Amino acid sequence: DSGVTQTPKHLITATGQRVTLRCSPRSGDLSVYWYQQSLDQGLQFLIQYYNGEERAKGNILERFSAQQFPDLHSELNLSSLELGDSALYFCASQGLAGNEQFFGPGTRLTVL
Amino acid sequence: AQTVTQSQPEMSVQEAETVTLSCTYDTSENNYYLFWYKQPPSRQMILVIRQEAYKQQNATENRFSVNFQKAAKSFSLKISDSQLGDTAMYFCAFMKPYANLAYSGAGSYQLTFGKGTKLSVIP
Repeated sequence: DSGVTQTPKHLITATGQRVTLRCSPRSGDLSVYWYQQSLDQGLQFLIQYYNGEERAKGNILERFSAQQFPDLHSELNLSSLELGDSALYFCASQGLAGNEQFFGPGTRLTVL
Repeated sequence: AQTVTQSQPEMSVQEAETVTLSCTYDTSENNYYLFWYKQPPSRQMILVIRQEAYKQQNATENRFSVNFQKAAKSFSLKISDSQLGDTAMYFCAFMKPYANLAYSGAGSYQLTFGKGTKLSVIP
C-alpha cells in the first residue's frame, strides 16, 4: 500500500459527459502529479500541483483541469468526454525528503 | 525534452533464470534520476529500483540490479532468479534533475516513461 488513495476505482460514462477523479496523497506530501495511461500514448504526465498551486503542465487537454484543495487532496476534472479519453488515470504524491513518487491504485475510466 | 526508449515490447524468461530489460534515454542534463517501475496485472505502479546519475555505482535491490552507462545513456534492468510474481509490465522512467543538489520538493519533477516491456515468467 503506497498510502495514496484514489476514488473511484472504476468509472463508466458516456461521450460528452463530465467526471471528477479524486486523489488523496500520502500524509505530509505536498506535491500531487496526475498521469494518464492509455494504449495509444502509454504513460503520460498531465499536471502537477504543489501545496495548492499548479506547478507544471504536461500533455493535458484543455477539456481537462485539476485543482488541489487546502487539505491537499486533488481532483482531476474531465469534461466533454470522448472515446479516446478512456484510460487509467494515476495520481502520485511526492514528499520533500526524497525523489520517489508514490502512485495510487488508479481510476479506470471507460467512455462509451 | 527527455525521451525514454524501451526497444523490447515483450520478453519471456524461464523461472529461476536471469533476464535483462533494456532502456535508453536522451537528455542534455547532467544530473537526473532513473527508475524502473513494475506494473503487475493489478495495475498498481510499484517502484523496483532507482539510480542517481551522479553515482557511478550501479543500484541493486535484492534480485534486481541495473547496468547504468551514463555516456551511452543506457539503463538496463537485470532480474536474477526470476519468479512467477515478476510477471508484469516494466517501465523505465526518467526524472528531471533537481534545481540544485539540495532537493526541493517545491520544484517540478514529472516522470517521463518508456512504452514498457511486458515480461512473462514461464514455470
